[in-house]
Amino acid sequence: NAGVTQTPKFQVLKTGQSMTLQCAQDMNHNSMYWYRQDPGMGLRLIYYSASEGTTDKGEVPNGYNVSRLNKREFSLRLESAAPSQTSVYFCASSVRQSNYGYTFGSGTRLTVV
Amino acid sequence: GDSVTQMEGPVTLSEEAFLTINCTYTATGYPSLFWYVQYPGEGLQLLLKATKADDKGSNKGFEATYRKETTSFHLEKGSVQVSDSAVYFCALPSYGNNRLAFGKGNQVVVIP
Repeated sequence: NAGVTQTPKFQVLKTGQSMTLQCAQDMNHNSMYWYRQDPGMGLRLIYYSASEGTTDKGEVPNGYNVSRLNKREFSLRLESAAPSQTSVYFCASSVRQSNYGYTFGSGTRLTVV
Repeated sequence: GDSVTQMEGPVTLSEEAFLTINCTYTATGYPSLFWYVQYPGEGLQLLLKATKADDKGSNKGFEATYRKETTSFHLEKGSVQVSDSAVYFCALPSYGNNRLAFGKGNQVVVIP
């Protein structure tokens, strides 16, 4: 039971570099989410995909793009990384609506220098 | 949108002590309420949930009761262990159930 798999687990980028964080779930969930976690800020939603083929902005979308590649995969792209994007990124999925709760991945720790 | 508020600051207590973490919510209607736990270096895991008023969620010795009168969902455990050291998040569906809104979390440190 893999659940939600995120890659990579750790990454160091230089300012201005780009990268894509990968997320895949094997639970046949419809909805997927990207959060960032920063000290004292809790979890903040970046983007989400309520169903395959749709994506919507969350609280802090600036500097990010997403792609819902298929029902299983939801990637997060940083086009030009900035130090302010140093954070731990979590992907999550849910069956349908949020009343069912989420299953989280183990996170990607990103440092931008 | 609907939201939750958790008590400020970390919680440090001794093994076998009683733990309470406060969570209050603001919501239209009666949404499901959740507690998630994050152990060091890991993602969040669902600890327990309640789907309607007066429901009690329980798991691993933790309990929380959905109280609509006080709009609260406080987390309690009667006797904590060192292995309970983690960050605990309260959450509820928001923006028409499109997403979960999380509290800021409480770091719990249990000292042997």
